Amino acid sequence: QVQLQESGPGLVKPSGTLSLTCAVSGGSISSSNWWSWVRQPPGKGLEWIGEIYHSGNTNYNPSLKSRVTISVDKSNNQFSLKLNSVTAADTAVYYCARCSGWYSAFDIWGQGTMVTVSS
Amino acid sequence: EIVLTQSPGTLSLSPGERATLSCRASQSVTSNYLAWYQQKPGQAPRLVIYGASSRATGIPDRFSGSGSGTDFTLTISRLEPEDFAVYYCQQYGSSPRTFGQGTKVEIK
Repeated sequence: QVQLQESGPGLVKPSGTLSLTCAVSGGSISSSNWWSWVRQPPGKGLEWIGEIYHSGNTNYNPSLKSRVTISVDKSNNQFSLKLNSVTAADTAVYYCARCSGWYSAFDIWGQGTMVTVSS
Repeated sequence: EIVLTQSPGTLSLSPGERATLSCRASQSVTSNYLAWYQQKPGQAPRLVIYGASSRATGIPDRFSGSGSGTDFTLTISRLEPEDFAVYYCQQYGSSPRTFGQGTKVEIK
């Protein structure tokens, strides 16, 4: 079955760039799925960041759109998140997740990775 | 953007009791593309209900979803110890995908 695993630095300096990767195993990233990033600040709720299709088509949350880039690496079966100009408000657990189609819920999630923005 | 408002914020119940969670949307959810997730401390969310009323794989039948348009409900018929968690609703009918703020179901 498909599994997702996030990786990346756990600490990022303010004004820097947060970079995370989500490795897809047990299936192809080029299947008919949308691949998303979702974050959760400590003790708070879930926020959708954006998504990508294997073709490279992306959709972003307007609240973050100016700072976010999501890309896909089909050769390594993974996709990535870059969030620039980070502040303490970007401190959160970051999850990658799969939607098995455009009109689909998040049916598979990674375990999440905690990213702290601090000097 | 569709804003989802969940109520109550916290539900204090005993095992064996019925839980009723509400999710109200600021505008109609396209084709009832509304999901519910369960999240336990330190874990990723888990899909419970999709399409407003369809149970996800492996979800026991004590979980049921209902509703349409702007008003949706998640019902847990008889709470088991493992059901105490935070539940989020989420709409995926329009972009951006949005979540409710969550309802915590805690042991009374």
